[in-house]
Amino acid sequence: NAGVTQTPKFRILKIGQSMTLQCTQDMNHNYMYWYRQDPGMGLKLIYYSVGAGITDKGEVPNGYNVSRSTTEDFPLRLELAAPSQTSVYFCASSTRDRGNQPQHFGDGTRLSIL
Amino acid sequence: AQTVTQSQPEMSVQEAETVTLSCTYDTSESDYYLFWYKQPPSRQMILVIRQEAYKQQNATENRFSVNFQKAAKSFSLKISDSQLGDAAMYFCAYSLGIIQGAQKLVFGQGTRLTINP
Repeated sequence: NAGVTQTPKFRILKIGQSMTLQCTQDMNHNYMYWYRQDPGMGLKLIYYSVGAGITDKGEVPNGYNVSRSTTEDFPLRLELAAPSQTSVYFCASSTRDRGNQPQHFGDGTRLSIL
Repeated sequence: AQTVTQSQPEMSVQEAETVTLSCTYDTSESDYYLFWYKQPPSRQMILVIRQEAYKQQNATENRFSVNFQKAAKSFSLKISDSQLGDAAMYFCAYSLGIIQGAQKLVFGQGTRLTINP
């Protein structure tokens, strides 16, 4: 059981470049999330999705876009990379429940913008 | 907005001893959930323990237990018989108990736990 898979694991971008962080899960979870973790800090929610075709903003959505065309995939797009977006990005998923089910996290993508 | 505060940036404990990590949160809601996640150097986020706010009984998972004080909005984690593998960053997290809603976690800043052999 692969769980939540993120690609790539590392990436260096130049300012102004664009890229898509990929996330896929094989647990048939309805809910998926994107977080960013800045050095020495906790995770902050960027975007989330409650199902295919439904997405919504989290705490720090500026500079990012998401889409959810299938239950399994939830890509995160950076359109114009900025140094402030240097961070570790985590994708997570959880079942549809009242909120007490644990989120399953991917291994993260370390992104550096130079 | 809900906030989660971990006032101990770093803690250390001798192997086999007991350590308690502190967490306080701010919310006006009555129905919510609290979690402790562990992040070892491998960067994985691993659920340690969870607590439903409507339950008075403190959650336990083997060597891990919590002290949930709802009125004080406090949620501390106790690790008994500390092991070298417990060394990690520990994050306290909060989410609302929304029926059929997404679990939007709010994390604290973390506590780095070192285990001394």
